[in-house]
Amino acid sequence: GAVVSQHPSRVICKSGTSVKIECRSLDFQATTMFWYRQFPKKSLMLMATSNEGSKATYEQGVEKDKFLINHASLTLSTLTVTSAHPEDSSFYICSARDPSGAPWGQFFGPGTRLTVL
Amino acid sequence: RKEVEQDPGPFNVPEGATVAFNCTYSNSASQSFFWYRQDCRKEPKLLMSVYSSGNEDGRFTAQLNRASQYISLLIRDSKLSDSATYLCVVNMGGNTPLVFGKGTRLSVIA
Repeated sequence: GAVVSQHPSRVICKSGTSVKIECRSLDFQATTMFWYRQFPKKSLMLMATSNEGSKATYEQGVEKDKFLINHASLTLSTLTVTSAHPEDSSFYICSARDPSGAPWGQFFGPGTRLTVL
Repeated sequence: RKEVEQDPGPFNVPEGATVAFNCTYSNSASQSFFWYRQDCRKEPKLLMSVYSSGNEDGRFTAQLNRASQYISLLIRDSKLSDSATYLCVVNMGGNTPLVFGKGTRLSVIA
């Protein structure tokens, strides 16, 4: 099946620093990728839809200047958490849809666990 | 009203039991339906798609009732390894994102 990778899997940083998370589709081209965030014992919340070659679409309440998304190629989307603060500590997960795949679902990366001290 | 609603559980069942999860969705234009499984501190993984005709994969049976906007998942002969959170997921089609329910937590006990 389709594989989506994320890097890094875990990051610990100091408050005020920026953290970049990469999401790659390894064996298919994904024109659209999605970024989710999950706090402990909470459901996945969609943050933004990342479109290759165009601006990302952010969900209500998600600051686009704080969570910078770049989808420069058909296999790579990046999420940069700028000036991270402890409340940004969460599990960040990307997903990508394989347009040629069936069932018509999405494949998730393994997630990045961010801890901001 | 939430787009996808599930009973959060937890469901604590003994090994070998049959357990059923239910889910309702609010958008009648939804096109695709799935059950995902998420283990603690891991990403969600696709368990199975759900079709109106119903579909079965081993011990797992999923059903969709479009008229009632209702989705179900039945797990027979529960195993300890079935312990996880089961996510009901709906999609509008095209390049739209998946819409997740909050999940139903299942604990299978020896």
